[in-house]
Amino acid sequence: SQELEQSPQSLIVQEGKNLTINCTSSKTLYGLYWYKQKYGEGLIFLMMLQKGGEEKSHEKITAKLDEKKQQSSLHITASQPSHAGIYLCGADPLKTSYDKVIFGPGTSLSVIP
Amino acid sequence: DSGVTQTPKHLITATGQRVTLRCSPRSGDLSVYWYQQSLDQGLQFLIQYYNGEERAKGNILERFSAQQFPDLHSELNLSSLELGDSALYFCASSGELGAGELFFGEGSRLTVL
Repeated sequence: SQELEQSPQSLIVQEGKNLTINCTSSKTLYGLYWYKQKYGEGLIFLMMLQKGGEEKSHEKITAKLDEKKQQSSLHITASQPSHAGIYLCGADPLKTSYDKVIFGPGTSLSVIP
Repeated sequence: DSGVTQTPKHLITATGQRVTLRCSPRSGDLSVYWYQQSLDQGLQFLIQYYNGEERAKGNILERFSAQQFPDLHSELNLSSLELGDSALYFCASSGELGAGELFFGEGSRLTVL
């Protein structure tokens, strides 16, 4: 079965610094999602990447998909306290129209003012 | 507000008991997903329904069952509860097959004593 790994497991950064979170799949990626979760709350969709080399941005968050390496990266520029939370990557392991999404273990981000 | 409603928000019960978690998807969404989130297992996919029919199954225990009703709300039934079932249970919905973005509820926190 497909598994997703994320690195780092946790991250503490000073406000204003840039950071990158990585997601690696054990199998071919057919679609990659990034979600953010505030502690004890539901997940909020950030973006979806479908094609190798695709890059998407939303405000100060940019995500890229490297299909060959079976990896995706999430980059936050000039981090703010509002960026704090748990970032999870998700993927559809069966290429079945994104029916079933499995998630990585998450990366916990803390931003120090 | 994602538009997905889960009840109850918190539930405390004893081992051996049975509970029912309820989910109302976003208006018009046909797909409902159930996930279990615990500290040691992360976010685990349990089961998915589409327009009343079971579509995908994940790591759902035999003691657990779910269904989606004609009005599209869904219930997750957990029986013969064990201490290890204590977790945050999330419901998510999406508009159509292949929609990609899942809309998560705030979760139901189950504590088994």
